[in-house]
Amino acid sequence: DTEVTQTPKHLVMGMTNKKSLKCEQHMGHRAMYWYKQKAKKPPELMFVYSYEKLSINESVPSRFSPECPNSSLLNLHLHALQPEDSALYLCASSQEAGGRGEQFFGPGTRLTVL
Amino acid sequence: AQSVTQLGSHVSVSEGALVLLRCNYSSSVPPYLFWYVQYPNQGLQLLLKYTSAATLVKGINGFEAEFKKSETSFHLTKPSAHMSDAAEYFCAVSEGFGNEKLTFGTGTRLTIIP
Repeated sequence: DTEVTQTPKHLVMGMTNKKSLKCEQHMGHRAMYWYKQKAKKPPELMFVYSYEKLSINESVPSRFSPECPNSSLLNLHLHALQPEDSALYLCASSQEAGGRGEQFFGPGTRLTVL
Repeated sequence: AQSVTQLGSHVSVSEGALVLLRCNYSSSVPPYLFWYVQYPNQGLQLLLKYTSAATLVKGINGFEAEFKKSETSFHLTKPSAHMSDAAEYFCAVSEGFGNEKLTFGTGTRLTIIP
C-alpha cells in the first residue's frame, strides 16, 4: 500500500463548529506532515510529526490542533476557524525523517469556512 | 536558509514540443531537490528527486531533470509534451540533516496547446 488517504474529501463548517480532518498511511513511514494550500499557491507547512515528536510552524494559529494517535494516523482538529482558513489541507508522509526522503501526499481535504 | 525560485508562473507549449520548466535553488548545504506535479483538485505527486547521486535524474511520465551545482539549477524537461502533462509543477528543496522543512517554489502552470 503506497497511499496516503485523507477524509473527508470536502468539508464545509461554520466558524463556531469543531471538526477533525483525518490522515492515514500504511507504508511504515515515521514522519507525517500537515500542509495548507491556498488557490494558486504552493503548500505551506503547518505541522510535522517525526518519530512521534511534534514540530510546529509558529505562524499557525492555535485554532488548528494536530494529534498523532499512532505512527499511521494523523488528525487535525479544527475549532473556531475563520473564513480565511478555507483552503486545501494536504497530509503527507515520508519514510526518512530529516528531509532526505520524498514526501508522499494524500489527495487533500477541501475546507470551506462560512 | 533555503529557497527556490521558479521562473515563469505560466508556460505554454504545443503538443509534441519540448517542455522546459526552470528551477533555481539557494541552500547553505548540498540540497535534496524534488519536482512535484499537481493536477486540479488533487494532492502532489512526486515526479523525480535528486539526492546527491547522479546529476541527471529520470522521473515518471518521461520527465527528467539535471542538477547543475555551478548554476544552482534543477530544471525539468520532457522531450515531447502530451496533453495529459497540463498541470501545476512545483520545485522543492530540503536541506536534510534533521531539517524536516520542504521549501516549495511558487509553482509553474503548464498549458499544452493542441
